[in-house]
Amino acid sequence: EDKVVQSPLSLVVHEGDTVTLNCSYEVTNFRSLLWYKQEKKAPTFLFMLTSSGIEKKSGRLSSILDKKELFSILNITATQTGDSAIYLCAVEAGGTSYGKLTFGQGTILTVHP
Amino acid sequence: EAGVAQSPRYKIIEKRQSVAFWCNPISGHATLYWYQQILGQGPKLLIQFQNNGVVDDSQLPKDRFSAERLKGVDSTLKIQPAKLEDSAVYLCASSRASVSNEQFFGPGTRLTVL
Repeated sequence: EDKVVQSPLSLVVHEGDTVTLNCSYEVTNFRSLLWYKQEKKAPTFLFMLTSSGIEKKSGRLSSILDKKELFSILNITATQTGDSAIYLCAVEAGGTSYGKLTFGQGTILTVHP
Repeated sequence: EAGVAQSPRYKIIEKRQSVAFWCNPISGHATLYWYQQILGQGPKLLIQFQNNGVVDDSQLPKDRFSAERLKGVDSTLKIQPAKLEDSAVYLCASSRASVSNEQFFGPGTRLTVL
């Protein structure tokens, strides 16, 4: 059974801090790893990673994948209160399970002013 | 481009009652997903459609849950009869799978079973 584990489960920081969120996975027939930000209800897409060692960057957020060690990290620099959310990691399977996402339990990030 | 639409946004029912949720995906997205997200957990895939065919329903509790996507566009998810443990947010997502599997999520329906 595919499995995704995120750590830490929750994190409280102050504005301006840098945070690192972790995601480890076990999946049969790996295709990609995705990061989502969930505020209130609907998760919104952040990154899709398919290749090891290539950093994806969007503003203050960046992410990298290590397919040998089966993990990914999401970095947020100079955090702002608007970064407070649940960050979800998901792995996508290929083959006959094409498109199926298995999510981790999420990391709750709280950024205080 | 309009996003994924879901209704209702909230629903409160008694256990053993029935409930139905509706989803309209982004126009042109052939793949549609229903997820169940229990408080404190990540979303869990219930069922995946490709056009109007089922691709994966291995985690759908088929004794009480059913879903259809008759014309390959909008979809309904039904629970009959509901149990207390069905209390969750039900998320619908869609993707243009032939281009990318980036999934776009709707706002979800929060179901409370009393």
